[in-house]
Amino acid sequence: AQTVTQSQPEMSVQEAETVTLSCTYDTSESDYYLFWYKQPPSRQMILVIRQEAYKQQNATENRFSVNFQKAAKSFSLKISDSQLGDAAMYFCAYRLYSGGSNYKLTFGKGTLLTVNP
Amino acid sequence: NAGVTQTPKFQVLKTGQSMTLQCAQDMNHEYMSWYRQDPGMGLRLIHYSVGAGITDQGEVPNGYNVSRSTTEDFPLRLLSAAPSQTSVYFCASSSQASGSTKNIQYFGAGTRLSVL
Repeated sequence: AQTVTQSQPEMSVQEAETVTLSCTYDTSESDYYLFWYKQPPSRQMILVIRQEAYKQQNATENRFSVNFQKAAKSFSLKISDSQLGDAAMYFCAYRLYSGGSNYKLTFGKGTLLTVNP
Repeated sequence: NAGVTQTPKFQVLKTGQSMTLQCAQDMNHEYMSWYRQDPGMGLRLIHYSVGAGITDQGEVPNGYNVSRSTTEDFPLRLLSAAPSQTSVYFCASSSQASGSTKNIQYFGAGTRLSVL
C-alpha cells in the first residue's frame, strides 16, 4: 500500500521569506501523480500544485514550486515570498496514474504553516 | 459554477441516530469519493464510486453506506451514529475524461459532524 509522510507537523515563516515543506512517499509503482493541497481556516481543500511522476521537470505555479526527487521518493513544496494568506494546513497527496479505482488519493497527515508578519 | 456541493455544513447527532450527508456535483464527473478528516490523521478515504451503480470501500468504510444512483449525487449514510464518527467529512469528484483537468479532484466545503 502507498503511504505518504509529512515529517513536519508545524512550520513557521516570516512574511516575504521562503519556506520548504517536506513530503516523502512509498510506492512500488512507476507512474503516479503527486499533489499539494492547501486547507485554510475556511476548511476548503485547494489544489496548489501537481506533478506527474514521468516528468523530470519540477512543477511551478507562481510562488509555489516543487522539488521532485523520484529515486528518493521525495516531493517538497517551496513557497517563495510568503504572504499572510499562505497560512494554512498543507497536505501532500499521491495517486496512481491510471484511472478506475486508482483515482483514490492517499494523503499525508499535514503540515500547519504559520506566516508571521 | 457550483462545483461540488455538500449539505449540511454542520450537524450534531446523538449516538444511535441516523443521517445522510449529501454530495452533488454539476461537472459530469464519473469519479466521486468521501473522505473523513480527523486531527493529526490527514484525510482518509471512506467510500468511492467510479460511476452510477458502482461503489467500493476505501480505507475506513465501517459504519458508513453509500449508493450512486445518478452521476451527480453520492450520498453518505450513517445508519447508527457513534462518537467515533465525529469528524469533518469531505466529498470529492474527478473526471476520467482526457485533458488537463483529468487528474484533479475537486472538493466540497466539508461537513462538520459531532456525535454526542
